[in-house]
Amino acid sequence: NAGVMQNPRHLVRRRGQEARLRCSPMKGHSHVYWYRQLPEEGLKFMVYLQKENIIDESGMPKERFSAEFPKEGPSILRIQQVVRGDSAAYFCASSQGSQSYEQYFGPGTRLTVT
Amino acid sequence: KQEVTQIPAALSVPEGENLVLNCSFTDSAIYNLQWFRQDPGKGLTSLLLIQSSQREQTSGRLNASLDKSSGRSTLYIAASQPGDSATYLCATGANNLFFGTGTRLTVIP
Repeated sequence: NAGVMQNPRHLVRRRGQEARLRCSPMKGHSHVYWYRQLPEEGLKFMVYLQKENIIDESGMPKERFSAEFPKEGPSILRIQQVVRGDSAAYFCASSQGSQSYEQYFGPGTRLTVT
Repeated sequence: KQEVTQIPAALSVPEGENLVLNCSFTDSAIYNLQWFRQDPGKGLTSLLLIQSSQREQTSGRLNASLDKSSGRSTLYIAASQPGDSATYLCATGANNLFFGTGTRLTVIP
């Protein structure tokens, strides 16, 4: 059973470009979470999704960031018009259910904005 | 809002020593508490999950305890090995996990 998969593992974008980060949850998991780890800071929750629904986006910046988890295919975290401050490691996690279920993390995508 | 604190921020021990990592949280109404390991430049590996109704969980040389009334969890590592060197994170929450900033452990051969 493959774990949570994220791609690309490393992504370099120039300021103003768009970044698309993909996450495939573990088999049988329908709950996906995105977290961001800024340099020298802890992980911060961004958004929680189930298939075709955003359940909690309380950690998402109000502008330029969006997330989706379509019926088919991976979850996508999209950052429009990237700025240097978006440089970070973005981690995706998945679980079988909500609240008390264990979250399993992917290897992360390291975004560098030049 | 839940706040999670980990002490110490860094710890260096000789190989073979037993050690304890501490995690405290402000809101005791938690669903569970997870301990993770993060190696430099890598993702998070889940080590132990303690449900809110449980007091401890064990896996191999690792033992995690949970005391909701005092807002504390500890991760005990027995007979430490150089391969245990990593950053250890605790996290708690419903769906959105709140993470501590971690304890960076170095086990010296």
